[in-house]
Amino acid sequence: DTAVSQTPKYLVTQMGNDKSIKCEQNLGHDTMYWYKQDSKKFLKIMFSYNNKELIINETVPNRFSPKSPDKAHLNLHINSLELGDSAVYFCASSSGGTSGNTIYFGEGSWLTVV
Amino acid sequence: QKEVEQDPGPLSVPEGAIVSLNCTYSNSAFQYFMWYRQYSRKGPELLMYTYSSGNKEDGRFTAQVDKSSKYISLFIRDSQPSDSATYLCAMRGGATNKLIFGTGTLLAVQP
Repeated sequence: DTAVSQTPKYLVTQMGNDKSIKCEQNLGHDTMYWYKQDSKKFLKIMFSYNNKELIINETVPNRFSPKSPDKAHLNLHINSLELGDSAVYFCASSSGGTSGNTIYFGEGSWLTVV
Repeated sequence: QKEVEQDPGPLSVPEGAIVSLNCTYSNSAFQYFMWYRQYSRKGPELLMYTYSSGNKEDGRFTAQVDKSSKYISLFIRDSQPSDSATYLCAMRGGATNKLIFGTGTLLAVQP
C-alpha cells in the first residue's frame, strides 16, 4: 500500500501546454505539500495545505495552481509550461500541521518540457 | 548565503567504512534537525530526527547537532552498498518554521 502516491511518474510535454499532477495520501494526515527538486537536487517547498486550506505559498509563478478537493488529495496544475519547469515534483504529507517533522514523500513526478 | 549548506559530493567510500555527512546553517532559530535519505528515482525518506543540540543513535546511524557551531552531522558505521543514496539534511524553526533542505550529498559505498 503506497502511503503517498502521485501520477504520472513521468511526463514529457511541449512548451505552452497545460498539465496536471495528481496526489493522494492514505495516511490520514492533515497537511499536504508540493516540493520541487531541480537538477542539482535542491528540494524546495512550493505549497502547503492544511485541512484543504492553503498555508504556505512560496514565490511560485501563478502558472502553478494547487487544488485540494479534500484532505487526502492535493493536485498541481501547471499552465503554459516553460522549459525551466522541467524538474521532479514531489507530493508529501505530514500530521500536526506544517510543524510536523515526519514528512512522507511520494515517489516523484519527472516533468520534462521540450 | 544559503540558509543551509551541504557538500554535494559525490563521496565514495569502501564497504565497512565510517561515513561522515555534514551540514552547516546560518539561522540560529533552527531547532529541529532531520536527515533524509533519497535513493535514485525515489522520494526522500526520513532517516533521523533530532531536537536541539545533542546526539541520537539508531542502529548504524548517529545524528549529532552542535547548535553553538551551527553544524550537524550524520555518521554511518559499517557502511553497506545499500547505503548508497543521496543524503539530505533538513531543519526548521523560528518565525516561519518552514522546513529547509540542504542540497544533498551523494554517497556511493563500493563493495
